[in-house]
Amino acid sequence: GESVGLHLPTLSVQEGDNSIINCAYSNSASDYFIWYKQESGKGPQFIIDIRSNMDKRQGQRVTVLLNKTVKHLSLQIAATQPGDSAVYFCAESRTDSWGKLQFGAGTQVVVTP
Amino acid sequence: NAGVTQTPKFRILKIGQSMTLQCAQDMNHNYMYWYRQDPGMGLKLIYYSVGAGITDKGEVPNGYNVSRSTTEDFPLRLELAAPSQTSVYFCASSQGQGAWNTEAFFGQGTRLTVV
Repeated sequence: GESVGLHLPTLSVQEGDNSIINCAYSNSASDYFIWYKQESGKGPQFIIDIRSNMDKRQGQRVTVLLNKTVKHLSLQIAATQPGDSAVYFCAESRTDSWGKLQFGAGTQVVVTP
Repeated sequence: NAGVTQTPKFRILKIGQSMTLQCAQDMNHNYMYWYRQDPGMGLKLIYYSVGAGITDKGEVPNGYNVSRSTTEDFPLRLELAAPSQTSVYFCASSQGQGAWNTEAFFGQGTRLTVV
């Protein structure tokens, strides 16, 4: 069925480098995407979102890119810091199931010194 | 603001027991959700509600029930606990006033173990 999934289950990044986390979705009707960060023992926390009428959005040290042609989005973290170590989830929402977020499996980001 | 508050934080149940996971939000959000997260996995939607008195099934509703008598509260009921329900449960809420505003705020989670 329709799903949102991530390419890499674990990403090891050296402190100061940039991180890129990828996410694929299968439903072309998806029109809203969110990236969440989940630290150990905590609930997911909103990072950044993007609507389907955009292909790029920037926040503080983070950029989300959306490629609707190949149904792919990515989260880029600039100058990765130890505090960025967490599991990152992409989530999608669709107008035909408005309000429901469907999550991918998550990517564990490990920042090494 | 407290945001989304879940209780209890931890619970151990015996097979066949029942319990209610409590969730409350103070942001006057219309939408509320219950997710479960199994170890090393993503979140799966159990039930959601678009407003007081309205609930609907998510991806994995079997074995659970919900009610939404007020905007603030969205309890999740497990009637006959099974080991397969061992998981971390997250409650979330969002404003949900349009397809452009579905950022969800999550509680800290309830870690449930069924033995």
